[in-house]
Formats: sequence, C-alpha cells, structure tokens
Amino acid sequence: NAGVTQTPKFRVLKTGQSMTLLCAQDMNHEYMYWYRQDPGMGLRLIHYSVGEGTTAKGEVPDGYNVSRLKKQNFLLGLESAAPSQTSVYFCASNGPTGLTIYGYTFGSGTRLTIV
Amino acid sequence: AQSVAQPEDQVNVAEGNPLTVKCTYSVSGNPYLFWYVQYPNRGLQFLLKYITGDNLVKGSYGFEAEFNKSQTSFHLKKPSALVSDSALYFCAVRVAKAAGNKLTFGGGTRVLVKP
Repeated sequence: NAGVTQTPKFRVLKTGQSMTLLCAQDMNHEYMYWYRQDPGMGLRLIHYSVGEGTTAKGEVPDGYNVSRLKKQNFLLGLESAAPSQTSVYFCASNGPTGLTIYGYTFGSGTRLTIV
Repeated sequence: AQSVAQPEDQVNVAEGNPLTVKCTYSVSGNPYLFWYVQYPNRGLQFLLKYITGDNLVKGSYGFEAEFNKSQTSFHLKKPSALVSDSALYFCAVRVAKAAGNKLTFGGGTRVLVKP
C-alpha cells in the first residue's frame, strides 16, 4: 500500500548514544517533515525538506540533524541522545507536486525512549 | 507566526449526543485549516480541511467543521457521536502559499464517547 513508512517503530537508547530514524514515502511527494509528539504539546516541527537535497529547520531543531539524499527518503539523526528527546516521532509528506494544499500523509510513528 | 489553540484537553460525550471539539487559530494571511484524528498507537489521519469557499466543510466519518473568520475559529462537529469516535483530535493551520507548507498543530483534544 502507498504511504509513509517509518523505521524502527520502537527503540530504547542510552544517553549519549546516536541513532537514525528512517522515513520513506512512495507517493512522489516533494515535501517531507519530521515532528515530535509530546503529551499536551501537540506536534512540533523539528526539520523539513521541500525537495531532494534540501533541508530546513523547524520549531525545535536543536539536537537533531536531517538528510534528504533521495526524494523518497528523509532521515532524522540524533548525534548524542538526551532524555529530553524521549518522544514519539512522526514523519509526514505532502504533495503531489503542485497540489500541496492537501493535508499531510503521516507515518505510524517511532516511539523513542532515552534512558 | 502562526498558532493554534485547542482549549479543552478532554471532551466527554454520551453516545448518540452531538460532539464538538473547539479550535481557534492565529495567522498572518489567509489560513488553510485541517483536522486530524489519532487512534492509539497510530499515526494521524486526515479528517477534513478548509481552503476556500463554503464555511461549512464536510469530511470523513460524518464529521464537519465550520470556518468562522471573524472569530478565527474552526470547530469540529459531529451530530451523533459513536463510541468508535473516541480518539485524540488535532487542529492544524498554515498560511496559504507559505514557504514549505508547514503545518502548526494544536495541543490536541482527547474525545471520550461513553456508551
């Protein structure tokens, strides 16, 4: 089925460890986004991309890096994990090109715990 | 800057009764408004959107929302709630033609429909 796929679905990290979250979409969407969801705070934008090879900062970018080497993939990296980064991470995409008034398509999320 | 407020953390309603979830927004420019629903351990699913035209928008699963420009509101409604409507609901906004099509989300409202 077409959509947005996130891997892994769950992960526990120790403070200071690094990891990469992968988001893949097969809808040929130009725009991709990484959000984090915390209780009572809704979803907050971490980074986003408006096309292959581009990235931009969102509302809460500190401690995260991203890359969009291929149009279908958007990677979110944590270089040195901190307990404050414990959250549920959602990837989303928007498109198709030229019809970006439609709502996002979301992945099912990655639950990340930093101990 | 754009922002969204969902003043109620939780809404309780009896099955068969009308359901209303409140949302107010603030943007500089014309808004595009969205409602999403999240079921436990799932990603967000698109319910409906307001882009332009009729102020009353109809969406999935019998939901509708009314855009009120003077009150800067976009409340979600359903005439007769079902137990299966119990979920977390998010309102989101972005400015028309804004770079990156970034959505800003409210904090979410948990809906509990009791049999």
